[in-house]
Amino acid sequence: AQSVTQPDIHITVSEGASLELRCNYSYGATPYLFWYVQSPGQGLQLLLKYFSGDTLVQGIKGFEAEFKRSQSSFNLRKPSVHWSDAAEYFCAVVGTNAGKSTFGDGTTLTVKP
Amino acid sequence: DTGVSQDPRHKITKRGQNVTFRCDPISEHNRLYWYRQTLGQGPEFLTYFQNEAQLEKSRLLSDRFSAERPKGSFSTLEIQRTEQGDSAMYLCASSLSGYGNQPQHFGDGTRLSIL
Repeated sequence: AQSVTQPDIHITVSEGASLELRCNYSYGATPYLFWYVQSPGQGLQLLLKYFSGDTLVQGIKGFEAEFKRSQSSFNLRKPSVHWSDAAEYFCAVVGTNAGKSTFGDGTTLTVKP
Repeated sequence: DTGVSQDPRHKITKRGQNVTFRCDPISEHNRLYWYRQTLGQGPEFLTYFQNEAQLEKSRLLSDRFSAERPKGSFSTLEIQRTEQGDSAMYLCASSLSGYGNQPQHFGDGTRLSIL
């Protein structure tokens, strides 16, 4: 069975500082990995995705993520955080047989001025 | 691309009542998913359709829950005899079919509050 762990429930960073959100997954083969962002009262917006190839993937809003097979990780990074980045971030895995996404419990990002 | 649309955005009902939610996917998407999200948790998979066929249902989907996608376009999720524990955000998503590499596009959800 596939699973996702996001170890950090809540992270606070200062505006302009760098950000790294952690994601660890469990899946028997190479998974498809996604990061989504959710603002209060809204649905999820796709930030970026990894399928194969280059392990460093670029997404929208200046985010990037690195797939590390040896660590079963897919951490999200941003070099300089903006106040508008404050939101909840979810990592998700989909197996190669497609179908459902399995999500982590999310990391809430607070940005200090 | 008008996005995934969910209706209503918010539903308040008394325990024991039946409720029905509607989801209109992106028009060219043949897959449609339902998830449930409670406070502080990530979305939990409920069920998904490819065209009109319901391909998978979670054990979370008790016999009080039923979902349909009769013509392969919009879908409805009905909860009968609602309970306090049904209070949650119900999210719908759609995608093209594929090997899991097609991202799911989410609606803004229907928030259900049980009094």
